[in-house]
Amino acid sequence: QKEVEQNSGPLSVPEGAIASLNCTYSDRGSQSFFWYRQYSGKSPELIMFIYSNGDKEDGRFTAQLNKASQYVSLLIRDSQPSDSATYLCAVNNRRKIQGAQKLVFGQGTRLTINP
Amino acid sequence: GAVVSQHPSWVICKSGTSVKIECRSLDFQATTMFWYRQFPKQSLMLMATSNEGSKATYEQGVEKDKFLINHASLTLSTLTVTSAHPEDSSFYICSARAPSVGELFFGEGSRLTVL
Repeated sequence: QKEVEQNSGPLSVPEGAIASLNCTYSDRGSQSFFWYRQYSGKSPELIMFIYSNGDKEDGRFTAQLNKASQYVSLLIRDSQPSDSATYLCAVNNRRKIQGAQKLVFGQGTRLTINP
Repeated sequence: GAVVSQHPSWVICKSGTSVKIECRSLDFQATTMFWYRQFPKQSLMLMATSNEGSKATYEQGVEKDKFLINHASLTLSTLTVTSAHPEDSSFYICSARAPSVGELFFGEGSRLTVL
């Protein structure tokens, strides 16, 4: 079982609709969760992070965390063509290395917003 | 937000040569930096954790003698791909952990092509 799993997609959503991206993780002791957006040929950029169960909203983005079910999701409201990218879920592994915890990434979900 | 700069963005080299990639944290001190590799249409795979003033910690399966990491200061880590071969062609991305909890910022990435 992969540590962090995402549906690779592609996920197609019409412009203006809500895009829903899901991620599950295997380590029940994981502490923090991150969503990154990666455009083709570019490095990832942080969109949101969440530590506590429930929802966290930032503009058009909402991250949802359910530790009991071990899943984290990202909702994108009013989707725009510019949101078309690969979205990477990352989980903070509780194993510490020299005081810094590693992030484990899922394979990413390719999202396409259709005008 | 925190800025991490990577250089060079692109490098093409002949098989058997060595290539050095630099990663700098521009507006914060990073005691720990991470080096990732990403093959086309795959997720980021952590190669090693770079620790300022001490040896890097390599992930299983990553040859430490081939991928030399030096973290000589709090703002600079370098990755040297020694005796590069075509199978080393990939997108190499560094990241640094900002002084807040768990947030990881990425450099722009370095695309290596070995002929």
